[in-house]
Amino acid sequence: DIQMTQSPSSLSASVGDRVTITCQASQDISNYLNWYQQKPGKAPKLLIYDASNLETGVPSRFSGSGSGTDFTFTISSLQPEDIATYYCQQYDNLPITFGPGTKVDIK
Amino acid sequence: EVQLVESGGGLVQPGGSLRLSCAASGFTFSSYWMSWVRQAPGKGLEWVANIKQDGSEKYYVDSVKGRFTISRDNAKNSLYLQMNSLRAEDTAVYYCARGNWNYFHWGQGTLVTVSS
Repeated sequence: DIQMTQSPSSLSASVGDRVTITCQASQDISNYLNWYQQKPGKAPKLLIYDASNLETGVPSRFSGSGSGTDFTFTISSLQPEDIATYYCQQYDNLPITFGPGTKVDIK
Repeated sequence: EVQLVESGGGLVQPGGSLRLSCAASGFTFSSYWMSWVRQAPGKGLEWVANIKQDGSEKYYVDSVKGRFTISRDNAKNSLYLQMNSLRAEDTAVYYCARGNWNYFHWGQGTLVTVSS
């Protein structure tokens, strides 16, 4: 199985800050990586697919990059509504696996 | 508007069975792979199973193989997850999601609690 790691596991930042989350796969997954946002008590929401494509309707402050084993998710200017847990997910091989999540809070 | 509505969750004893359903609307159900993803309380997301449009291909995470069965009824626009031999570690919110790996649409989830 492909193991996904994320760092940091949690972070606290101020409104307007640039926030970066990294995700690493245990083997090359090309660009078969998605990023999800999950708010408490809600289903996850797909923000970025195929590593760098912004889902329709998602604010442009969210972005993703990377390929192979190393990926980055960025919020260019953190907003209060971005408080959530963010997960990466690989789909290069079954089983589909998710990273452990990064919890983002406002400082 | 795409809608996915799960039902069938509840409290069940270890070793028991439960059947989850997911009612789909707002899209051509028979044209899409469908999946189940679960989330244990306070934990991360875990893919459980997915099924091809015509039901001819099904895939499972190792921890549920031989115990869970994914199925669908395209005439009823419905996805199912039959869960047998349930264990405490199966306790989770179970989400159905449209797609085989890019989950653009999710249901609200149904809670399954396995406890005596």
